[in-house]
Amino acid sequence: DTAVSQTPKYLVTQMGNDKSIKCEQNLGHDTMYWYKQDSKKFLKIMFSYNNKELIINETVPNRFSPKSPDKAHLNLHINSLELGDSAVYFCASSQGTSGGAKETQYFGPGTRLLVL
Amino acid sequence: QKEVEQDPGPLSVPEGAIVSLNCTYSNSAFQYFMWYRQYSRKGPELLMYTYSSGNKEDGRFTAQVDKSSKYISLFIRDSQPSDSATYLCAMKGTSYGKLTFGQGTILTVHP
Repeated sequence: DTAVSQTPKYLVTQMGNDKSIKCEQNLGHDTMYWYKQDSKKFLKIMFSYNNKELIINETVPNRFSPKSPDKAHLNLHINSLELGDSAVYFCASSQGTSGGAKETQYFGPGTRLLVL
Repeated sequence: QKEVEQDPGPLSVPEGAIVSLNCTYSNSAFQYFMWYRQYSRKGPELLMYTYSSGNKEDGRFTAQVDKSSKYISLFIRDSQPSDSATYLCAMKGTSYGKLTFGQGTILTVHP
């Protein structure tokens, strides 16, 4: 069973379109994250939700909007896609946020987004 | 200047070699230090987790943290071709779950 899953795995779209990426975790974790990995492999956090509450909101264009319908799901909606949005987007989850082993973040397989 | 600096490599070593991977950081608030391994077209997976300064060993892997120098290392003994991957250091302070990653070092172990 996949612990953290993302759909779709690949997404090719035109500039200006709106798209969504879905994430689900079956680990019973309380916290979920979205990361962006650019072409140089630099992985940077975008958002984090704990028990459906937004707790981390990094400097990200407001075209990006996360939504957490429940603890097991965290979706990412992107409006008016731009060329610079092309990257791999990773979802992750962890049991808690306060430190220690509960901090271990488990990553999904990634969604490769290409904006043409 | 990035909060976490990591030489992206690439690093190529023969099978059986000892590999040393390093990161430096500038934020003295970091207390938790991790190493993730990322295979091509896969998500990162946690290899080692260390709190504060000191050493931690797990099989062929040893993680070292020197907070006074703001320097962390990962050593891989008896490296195998299956160790070929990108290795990412990551660290956090006390803020909620916010991991700051290094750029990653691409490692190739050739037979």
